[in-house]
Amino acid sequence: DGGITQSPKYLFRKEGQNVTLSCEQNLNHDAMYWYRQDPGQGLRLIYYSQIVNDFQKGDIAEGYSVSREKKESFPLTVTSAQKNPTAFYLCASSMRGAGQFFGPGTRLTVL
Amino acid sequence: QQPVQSPQAVILREGEDAVINCSSSKALYSVHWYRQKHGEAPVFLMILLKGGEQKGHDKISASFNEKKQQSSLYLTASQLSYSGTYFCGTERINRDDKIIFGKGTRLHILP
Repeated sequence: DGGITQSPKYLFRKEGQNVTLSCEQNLNHDAMYWYRQDPGQGLRLIYYSQIVNDFQKGDIAEGYSVSREKKESFPLTVTSAQKNPTAFYLCASSMRGAGQFFGPGTRLTVL
Repeated sequence: QQPVQSPQAVILREGEDAVINCSSSKALYSVHWYRQKHGEAPVFLMILLKGGEQKGHDKISASFNEKKQQSSLYLTASQLSYSGTYFCGTERINRDDKIIFGKGTRLHILP
């Protein structure tokens, strides 16, 4: 089955720790995206990548980092520099000019 | 540059119609529409491209007025399954693949 997967579903982090969220797709999509969702704020773009080994900052990139070494994978690292990381994180992929397919999301909580 | 959605929330009875609007201050290439149910990932409904087209999806349709940079989503004879939060996402005319989402419109259908 083609799709997009995210892991883990729930993640707990202590303050000062870096954590990495996984996103994998087997849809052969060129573009991949990371969004953060907070109550009442909609989806805010963190980073996106149009092609392997290239990525662009979104509107709230500070405190986050990404890599795109393979077409199928686009992991997101939440660093200790992100001051308020507790949120629901969504990964998406698409062909250019087409709708986005979203993964099930990772809910990150800072303890 | 976040698109503005209106209304913020709507309550309808089953069988009634609804219109959700999305407006941008920037020239657009495309408008996307998604529905998200509580605790789940957003699901793609449709995409409208520059050219002012109108698209349909069962009893859900949408239009895109590129002169006004506005899109509207029409839900006809609403069903209980239409409940959720609707998001529009916009891509600017420069086609940079950067999709920016509005804050969403919460739709609740009563039996």
